[in-house]
Amino acid sequence: GAVVSQHPSWVICKSGTSVKIECRSLDFQATTMFWYRQFPKQSLMLMATSNEGSKATYEQGVEKDKFLINHASLTLSTLTVTSAHPEDSSFYICSASPDRVLGNEQFFGPGTRLTVL
Amino acid sequence: GNSVTQMEGPVTLSEEAFLTINCTYTATGYPSLFWYVQYPGEGLQLLLKATKADDKGSNKGFEATYRKETTSFHLEKGSVQVSDSAVYFCALSITGFQKLVFGTGTRLLVSP
Repeated sequence: GAVVSQHPSWVICKSGTSVKIECRSLDFQATTMFWYRQFPKQSLMLMATSNEGSKATYEQGVEKDKFLINHASLTLSTLTVTSAHPEDSSFYICSASPDRVLGNEQFFGPGTRLTVL
Repeated sequence: GNSVTQMEGPVTLSEEAFLTINCTYTATGYPSLFWYVQYPGEGLQLLLKATKADDKGSNKGFEATYRKETTSFHLEKGSVQVSDSAVYFCALSITGFQKLVFGTGTRLLVSP
C-alpha cells in the first residue's frame, strides 16, 4: 500500500524557536497533502491543505504565518512551526493524496509529537 | 456544522468477544462515512467506508452500516482478536475524501 512517513517522530524545543516537520510520500506522488493537529482525547483537526507548487489553503482559525507549509515537490511537504510556544505542543499528522480528483483516498503518516518547553 | 461523535474508550474486551463502537454524526448535505484504524506507531489506515444511506462497509471482519434515520455508523466485529487492539476513528466527508471530519477516536484493547 501507499506509505507516508513523517520526520521527526517526536521533537522537544525551547519556546521561541522554530521547528520543521517533514512529510514524505514514499511510493507515490502526492498532488495534495494535508496537515492535521490532534490534542489529547480530541479529534484530528485539519489545519491546511497544500497542493504541489501552490500556496496552502488554511482552515479558519489557523495562523498561516505561524504554521508555514511548503509543498515544493510531489513527495515532500513541510510544516514549520515558527516561534513555537507551549500552547503549540501537540501531535501533528500529515496525509497525502495521489490526485486532486475528489474521492481519492488520503494516506496518513504516523504523526509527530511536538513538545515546546 | 459537520461533526462526529464516538464513544469514549478505552474499550476492553477479551479475545473472541463481540465489538461495537458507536459513532453518530451531524452533517449538512449527504456525507460519506469512514472508519479509520491506527495501530501503535503507525499512521491512520482506512478500514471501511460507505457513501450513501443503507450502504454497508466491510473489511477484515469489521462492518458498519450507514443509517441515515439515526445518523449513525456503528462499527461492529463478531469476534475480536488481540491484533485488533488499536485506536479507531470515525469520520465523515461531504466532498469525498478531500475534507475529513474526525471523531475523537476510541481505543480498543483486546486481551488473550
